Parts: sequence; C-alpha cells; structure tokens
Amino acid sequence: QLQLQESGSGLVKPSQTLSLTCTVSGGSISNGGFSWSWIRQPPGKGLEWIGFIYQSGVTYYSPSLTSRVNISLDRSKNQLSLKLNSVTAADTAIYYCARVNLGKGRALDIWGQGTMVTVSS
Amino acid sequence: QSVLTQPPSASGTPGQRVTISCSGSSSNIGSNSIKWYQHLPGTAPKLLIYSNNERPSGVPDRFSGSKSGTSASLAISGLQSEDEADYYCEAWDDSLNGSVFGPGTKVTVL
Repeated sequence: QLQLQESGSGLVKPSQTLSLTCTVSGGSISNGGFSWSWIRQPPGKGLEWIGFIYQSGVTYYSPSLTSRVNISLDRSKNQLSLKLNSVTAADTAIYYCARVNLGKGRALDIWGQGTMVTVSS
Repeated sequence: QSVLTQPPSASGTPGQRVTISCSGSSSNIGSNSIKWYQHLPGTAPKLLIYSNNERPSGVPDRFSGSKSGTSASLAISGLQSEDEADYYCEAWDDSLNGSVFGPGTKVTVL
C-alpha cells in the first residue's frame, strides 16, 4: 500500500527558505499514471493548493506562490521535494504532499499525514 | 478569497441528508471536473468524489456528487456521527492555470 511521509525543518526564520521532503513508500514515484502535489493549510484556515509536477518534470504552481516555489522529484530516493523561499509568517501552515491520479481527473487520491512548519525568528 | 464558494457550515441529525454546495465559474467548475475531500483535523484529507460523481473504492455510497453548469454539490445521506468533518471541493481553473480549493464546509452532526 502506497504511503507518503513528509519531513523537514519545523521552524524556519523569516526571509529564509522552507525545504520539505515527501518520501514515497510501497510504490514508485516514477509510475506514469501519477503526478505529485503539495498542499498546505494555515492555522484555522482551509486547504491551499501549492502546485504539482508531472513525470516529465513540467510543473504548475499557484499564481500567488509561483515566484517563490519549486517542486522537484528525486527518483533515486523516491522522493518529492518542496522549496519555498523568502518565507514570512503567512507561510506558517501544515504542509501535505499528495499523489495526483491522472486517471481520476487529477484527483489527490493519497495524502501524507502532513508536517507543521512555523515561520518565526 | 477563493474562486470557489462553499457555505461555511452545514448540520443535520443522524440519519438525515445533508447537501453541500460549491459554486464557481466557467473557467473552473464549468469546464473541469470537481473533486470532494473529507478532512478531520489532525489527519490526512481523504478523497470522497472525483470526476464530479465517482467514488473511490472504499467510500460509502452514502456520499454522492453532482455537477450542473458552474455549480456542484456533495450529498451525505444517512448522516452518521463519524461524518462530522470539514469538506472541501476542488477544481482546476483554466484562467489561473492551477487548481483551487473551496473554503471548506464544516459539517456538524447534531
């Protein structure tokens, strides 16, 4: 059974770069039927789509984050990564990685448990 | 402010039917499929509905989805206490060239 686990720094200083990794187990990140995505949830707010990456490496990002975000795949480690630079307190959130099922209308069909990231000095 | 609109809350007694709406525009719901997710705080969100009205295996048939024009809805029939959660709609937006979530609806079982 496919499982996703987010990891990374839980505390990031303002203006620095947030770096997270999503480790995929129980299956290959290179399966052509799927893409991979990041979503976040600020405290007390709803889900916010960050972006996703196709197997080809083509990425799509939220317009509000596109100038600061980078999503990539590390096939050798079966991992998905997220980098968000120039962070502010508004980037404090629970960050989730999820599998994008291309056969199901790009539905996010498997999610990680999420990891809390706090931006504070 | 989200481009998709959902009521902030909905409620019902056990056994009742609850419906949650999701309103958008021609660039999102009007031209792309809608997905629905259930989210209990502290847990991973769960896919309930994809392609407007399809249920993944393991999702009870008490959950159903529909779409008409630029609006969609999620219905929960035979409401159970375990259905108390936040529910989000999601769709691709051609104008934004990205996906968008609705603001979420909190369902309370009275």
